[in-house]
Amino acid sequence: QQQVKQSPQSLIVQKGGIPIINCAYENTAFDYFPWYQQFPGKGPALLIAIRPDVSEKKEGRFTISFNKSAKQFSLHIMDSQPGDSATYFCAASEDNAGNMLTFGGGTRLMVKP
Amino acid sequence: GAGVSQSPRYKVAKRGQDVALRCDPISGHVSLFWYQQALGQGPEFLTYFQNEAQLDKSGLPSDRFFAERPEGSVSTLKIQRTQQEDSAVYLCASSFIYRNTEAFFGQGTRLTVV
Repeated sequence: QQQVKQSPQSLIVQKGGIPIINCAYENTAFDYFPWYQQFPGKGPALLIAIRPDVSEKKEGRFTISFNKSAKQFSLHIMDSQPGDSATYFCAASEDNAGNMLTFGGGTRLMVKP
Repeated sequence: GAGVSQSPRYKVAKRGQDVALRCDPISGHVSLFWYQQALGQGPEFLTYFQNEAQLDKSGLPSDRFFAERPEGSVSTLKIQRTQQEDSAVYLCASSFIYRNTEAFFGQGTRLTVV
């Protein structure tokens, strides 16, 4: 059972565009929602994370929007650059599960120059 | 080292061969996780250690998979009698024990079973 559903699977935007990646979850015990960026041949690296007591968090060009009632959260990348081309994963974890992460299926983002 | 180190980076195994994958976590990190990432998919949880104790192994796909962390630092994931479906990238991550702290991932070991 896929507990975190991510869409779209792939996304192409022009430089300067604002790609938006969406995730939905089912487990109401999740209380930590990080986004990871992965380049080919590398491990995932944390971009930004949010907890359900806030509806939005910004770090640089990256923003997470969180809708607790809908059990959905999304990543927005402002002023996207070709260097942002990577695969992005949303994830979620429960407080009492160490930091065991349940990942979405990933979104392959290409930012064209 | 500064980050999580995994070795080997690449491993080609003949079907039926046993393999051992190593993870050196960040010094001082109590928690250690193993994930399996199939091509084009998100990582999937395999097992979790807190120091030397294996607290959760619910994600291990079969009894051919075994993980250990005997001294609470380096961990080894062993796969016995490898099968083609075991081909994947195996990721190790470590973190402090505190709630919702960042998990740092290694670069992974790409296992190809032929």
